[in-house]
Amino acid sequence: DVKVTQSSRYLVKRTGEKVFLECVQDMDHENMFWYRQDPGLGLRLIYFSYDVKMKEKGDIPEGYSVSREKKERFSLILESASTNQTSMYLCASSPPGGAGGQPQHFGDGTRLSIL
Amino acid sequence: SQQGEEDPQALSIQEGENATMNCSYKTSINNLQWYRQNSGRGLVHLILIRSNEREKHSGRLRVTLDTSKKSSSLLITASRAADTASYFCATDKAAGNKLTFGGGTRVLVKP
Repeated sequence: DVKVTQSSRYLVKRTGEKVFLECVQDMDHENMFWYRQDPGLGLRLIYFSYDVKMKEKGDIPEGYSVSREKKERFSLILESASTNQTSMYLCASSPPGGAGGQPQHFGDGTRLSIL
Repeated sequence: SQQGEEDPQALSIQEGENATMNCSYKTSINNLQWYRQNSGRGLVHLILIRSNEREKHSGRLRVTLDTSKKSSSLLITASRAADTASYFCATDKAAGNKLTFGGGTRVLVKP
């Protein structure tokens, strides 16, 4: 069965800290995505990656960076955490989209609180 | 602004009833997808419908797509308590699988 694993379900950090959120998929998918989810706003795309060492900005990249050194792992980095980055973070992966599109497979999320 | 907007925002029904939710979007799309999210969990893919398709079925789920109205609907027939979840539509505007999600519909199925 396909699996996307996020390293922590819950995380509490302090303002100004550098925070790493890790995501690993076991499906050999080329595409990986990071979203944040806030009540009433749905999911918003932060960054995505189509291949190793490749990254592209999503809709809300400010304050975040990413790293993809290996195909199965996609890391989200909060360079200097702020309270407005308190949120649920979701990682997803998929095969290449192609003309018809592909479903995305999600991890269970990391609920991050910045104090 | 969000590409997909679901309606209603919340829905409460009795077990055995049908649940219908709608999604509207603004620009042309390659495909539209529906996902379910149980409380505190990640999203689970339900159905993908391509822009040249009008209707798809999967078990108790039926999805329609009207590209002229830029809208889609998800129907859950004979609902069960286990269908209690949030449901999201997501649109893919171009090849590349970059999805834009709506705000979701919260569905409560009462036993």
